[in-house]
Formats: sequence, structure tokens, C-alpha cells
Amino acid sequence: GNSVTQMEGPVTLSEEAFLTINCTYTATGYPSLFWYVQYPGEGLQLLLKATKADDKGSNKGFEATYRKETTSFHLEKGSVQVSDSAVYFCALSVTSGTYKYIFGTGTRLKVLA
Amino acid sequence: ETGVTQSPTHLIKTRGQQVTLRCSSQSGHNTVSWYQQALGQGPQFIFQYYREEENGRGNFPPRFSGLQFPNYSSELNVNALELDDSALYLCASSPGGLAVSTDTQYFGPGTRLTVL
Repeated sequence: GNSVTQMEGPVTLSEEAFLTINCTYTATGYPSLFWYVQYPGEGLQLLLKATKADDKGSNKGFEATYRKETTSFHLEKGSVQVSDSAVYFCALSVTSGTYKYIFGTGTRLKVLA
Repeated sequence: ETGVTQSPTHLIKTRGQQVTLRCSSQSGHNTVSWYQQALGQGPQFIFQYYREEENGRGNFPPRFSGLQFPNYSSELNVNALELDDSALYLCASSPGGLAVSTDTQYFGPGTRLTVL
């Protein structure tokens, strides 16, 4: 089956700390992988994506690399800011017979000044 | 370019009733998906419509049904409401064609449904 597992939160970091949020997946076929973010009081929005193995998605200083050998898509940022405080969701989409879009449970990040 | 809009914002129903939630996709987007998000959880994929046909479905019973209209609007209908149906219902549109798995989803703000 298809599934996404991401590290549980909350994650609390000081400003300028390094961030890693782990995400692993299982999928039939060849999934595309996504990170979505939900800032307080706002809707879900795409942060970055990668559509094939070894692709690296990046946006706003965040990066994630599609690792087929480890079935992972870990989110990283070298120096977090208070404004990065949000809930981060890892997701995959796959078309094998029919279309499916699977989200992880989300990881809440809190960055302290 | 307007974003994805949903109505109503909040809704309270009683067990056994039926509900219709509405979504207006971003202009030019042919595909719409619906999700259920319980508190503290990630969105659960209900189904996706492309050009008014269902082309993907998650693990939801048939009492969850949908419609997509040519004017970029869509509906989610839920019959025989149960207490566990209480959740935030999200609509998302995407620009691609049939089952394009690389597409970004553009989400609306959601409808909060409470079933008493």
C-alpha cells in the first residue's frame, strides 16, 4: 500500500538552529513527493516538491532530496527563523490504476527567539 | 487570479443528516480533490474529480460523494452523518490533466463540520 510516516512533534528550536524533519514513505509505482506547510491561521500551501528519484526540491531556504534507495524525503533548513513556526506535512501522490494523494500526520515546529 | 474558496466556513449538523459542502476552484484548474482533516492529523484523501468524472478515491464509504461542474465549482456530499465525520474538510484544485501525480495542490481554507 501507500503510506507516509513523518517524525512526531512538536519540534522546538532556537532561532538559527539547524532543522531536520524526517519523512519516509511506501508506495506502489513511482510517487511524487511534497512538503506542505500550514502557518498559524492560514491554509495549506506547497513548500517544495520532487517528482523523481534524486531530485532536490528547494524553497525559502528549505531543501529535501528524493531518496529512492532509503524511501525518504527529509526536510532540512540550515538556519530557522521565528517565522518558520508552522505545521509541516510530508505527502506523496501516485497513479497506479487510480490516483491517490497521501499525507503524513504533520510535524509542528516552534522556533524561539 | 482568485484562489480556492469554500463555503460555508462552519457548519453544525446532527447525526443522520445530510450535508453539502461547496468549493470554487482556481480559474483554469480542471482537477479538484477533497480531503478530511481531523484535529491534529494530516489530510485524508477522499476523492478527486477531473472533468466531472471521479478518477481517484481514498478509503471512504459510498456515503461520501461528489460532483464537479464545468464552471470550476464542485460539491462534497455526505449522507447519514456520523459523529466521526466531524472534521475540517479541505478542497484543493490543481491545473493538470487526468491523474497527473506531479501536480501541486492549491488548498482552500476549509469547512469545519461538527456533527452532534
